[in-house]
Amino acid sequence: EPEVTQTPSHQVTQMGQEVILRCVPISNHLYFYWYRQILGQKVEFLVSFYNNEISEKSEIFDDQFSVERPDGSNFTLKIRSTKLEDSAMYFCASSLTGKGEYGYTFGSGTRLTVV
Amino acid sequence: AQTVTQSQPEMSVQEAETVTLSCTYDTSESDYYLFWYKQPPSRQMILVIRQEAYKQQNATENRFSVNFQKAAKSFSLKISDSQLGDAAMYFCAYIKAAGNKLTFGGGTRVLVKP
Repeated sequence: EPEVTQTPSHQVTQMGQEVILRCVPISNHLYFYWYRQILGQKVEFLVSFYNNEISEKSEIFDDQFSVERPDGSNFTLKIRSTKLEDSAMYFCASSLTGKGEYGYTFGSGTRLTVV
Repeated sequence: AQTVTQSQPEMSVQEAETVTLSCTYDTSESDYYLFWYKQPPSRQMILVIRQEAYKQQNATENRFSVNFQKAAKSFSLKISDSQLGDAAMYFCAYIKAAGNKLTFGGGTRVLVKP
């Protein structure tokens, strides 16, 4: 079964450093998403991306965050200057239609620890 | 704004028994989809079951079934014949039709006792 692949599985970074989280969505999917889960809390929507542009973003997704599809397969989330409160699991997801009726296929997540 | 509430932080079930997880949601939309996701210790989010709001028939996937009460805005998950591998966090989620943002509940941890 097709998978969404995320790398790395765990990243430790110093506060103030830039970090890039990488995702390879399912190859024929057109809609891409990032979600975040702070330990013990809800899974929260960050951003959706289609046709090389952001289609929707949450208030969490401020100027410190950016997303990019640098080539035909990768989808990245960049945090410019990490803060302690950015420590969380970050999930990438993709879907074929973008209508949500089948839910999304999620990756296994990247655990980001900011120290 | 849509909200999803899971009132049970943790549920415990004996192996082979049945457990029911509660979920309520708030929306002004009439057309939407509801999901249950499973998150095992590996932290991956795995889709368990989905329900279309315009269908009255409750969805079933093997040992997993839902009780969808649209008027009450309730969407519970029943796990029958519980297995040790069912131990995980379970998240209820909502998305409006043609929407592109899933809204999750806070999760219910299911413990399965051998």
